[in-house]
Amino acid sequence: GAVVSQHPSWVICKSGTSVKIECRSLDFQATTMFWYRQFPKQSLMLMATSNEGSKATYEQGVEKDKFLINHASLTLSTLTVTSAHPEDSSFYICSARRGGQSETQYFGPGTRLLVL
Amino acid sequence: DQQVKQNSPSLSVQEGRISILNCDYTNSMFDYFLWYKKYPAEGPTFLISISSIKDKNEDGRFTVFLNKSAKHLSLHIVPSQPGDSAVYFCAASARDNRKLIWGLGTSLAVNP
Repeated sequence: GAVVSQHPSWVICKSGTSVKIECRSLDFQATTMFWYRQFPKQSLMLMATSNEGSKATYEQGVEKDKFLINHASLTLSTLTVTSAHPEDSSFYICSARRGGQSETQYFGPGTRLLVL
Repeated sequence: DQQVKQNSPSLSVQEGRISILNCDYTNSMFDYFLWYKKYPAEGPTFLISISSIKDKNEDGRFTVFLNKSAKHLSLHIVPSQPGDSAVYFCAASARDNRKLIWGLGTSLAVNP
């Protein structure tokens, strides 16, 4: 199998606080993990790509100081939304790709963030 | 510039019939294509993929066809089941850049 988990599944926080979301590949090692954001009725928007042991590569328009990504091991990546504001409220989804030649990304169940 | 296009936002099919979801792409560098299924408030679930060296890949009820000259691929689901009702996304990646480029999705409704 290729199971990816995310924690928490939903979170409500006050404006100005930071929120950490974890993404884990449970039964495989993921050399690359991706973080996406999805707005209602829109497709997935890639935020950043992270490779284990190196800095994340952010997409244009995504603030790296706002969305901190750490890919500390082959099974864990974290996304920290710093000083969250209501406009950061969204559905955040991670995916993981095995090493080698595999192109397929396996997705986590997503995290719903609501900033009050 | 939408490099991966799913021109039908929705599709309705009778249970037991074939569902055909279409996807067109513009970037000739794409060499790997994937289909995902997604329910609301959940992450996408991988269904099936195809490399550009093939023109067909089959897995159970799901078959993906690739027409490179037309830059077109399609996902066939047969027989369709009510549980197949979801949004289906087509995605593509290129050899020199392994990010997935996504279509906007097609919402499939399979009616009992």
